[in-house]
Amino acid sequence: GAGVSQTPSNKVTEKGKYVELRCDPISGHTALYWYRQSLGQGPEFLIYFQGTGAADDSGLPNDRFFAVRPEGSVSTLKIQRTERGDSAVYLCASSLFSGSANTGELFFGEGSRLTVL
Amino acid sequence: RKEVEQDPGPFNVPEGATVAFNCTYSNSASQSFFWYRQDCRKEPKLLMSVYSSGNEDGRFTAQLNRASQYISLLIRDSKLSDSATYLCVVSIDRGSTLGRLYFGRGTQLTVWP
Repeated sequence: GAGVSQTPSNKVTEKGKYVELRCDPISGHTALYWYRQSLGQGPEFLIYFQGTGAADDSGLPNDRFFAVRPEGSVSTLKIQRTERGDSAVYLCASSLFSGSANTGELFFGEGSRLTVL
Repeated sequence: RKEVEQDPGPFNVPEGATVAFNCTYSNSASQSFFWYRQDCRKEPKLLMSVYSSGNEDGRFTAQLNRASQYISLLIRDSKLSDSATYLCVVSIDRGSTLGRLYFGRGTQLTVWP
């Protein structure tokens, strides 16, 4: 389909390991967002890209978290030295900015479920 | 204090009932308001935007009270398929540069036959 694609859908890792999560947004969407969601909570903002640059990375919890979007399309969220508290569903979303016609709709992927043992 | 506060529920109502959800937001500079719907173990999807004058989409009515920093969603004639978690969403941005969205924790609705 033409929706937001995230891989892997599930990732189980051990404490201290490095993890990469990939997001392929809807073609032509210039804005890309990373959120994470814990059980029983709403999505928590991590970072937002407009094109290749991070327009707002204030939600990244600490310097173990880093995200890139080198060509303005696919993005990778990188987590170093994973901790058990990093376990969550990591959601990627994209949005089409079209001047004043932005509806504010974010199109989410199905998420990557990360479990840190 | 969280940016967006919602009663998590759960709300359990029979088919055909009318149910209302509320949320409050803390930042008076907020400009854009939405309700998203999230089915169990699925991704959130936009249900509707919320406009200052209030707006309706079929059985769904959204209201905004800027003075009280309060947003509501009313569902009339509930259907089984309305069972989901409803997320209240707020942003300080507007228009073409909508950036960070703040999500509430969601209100869980179950409609029973």
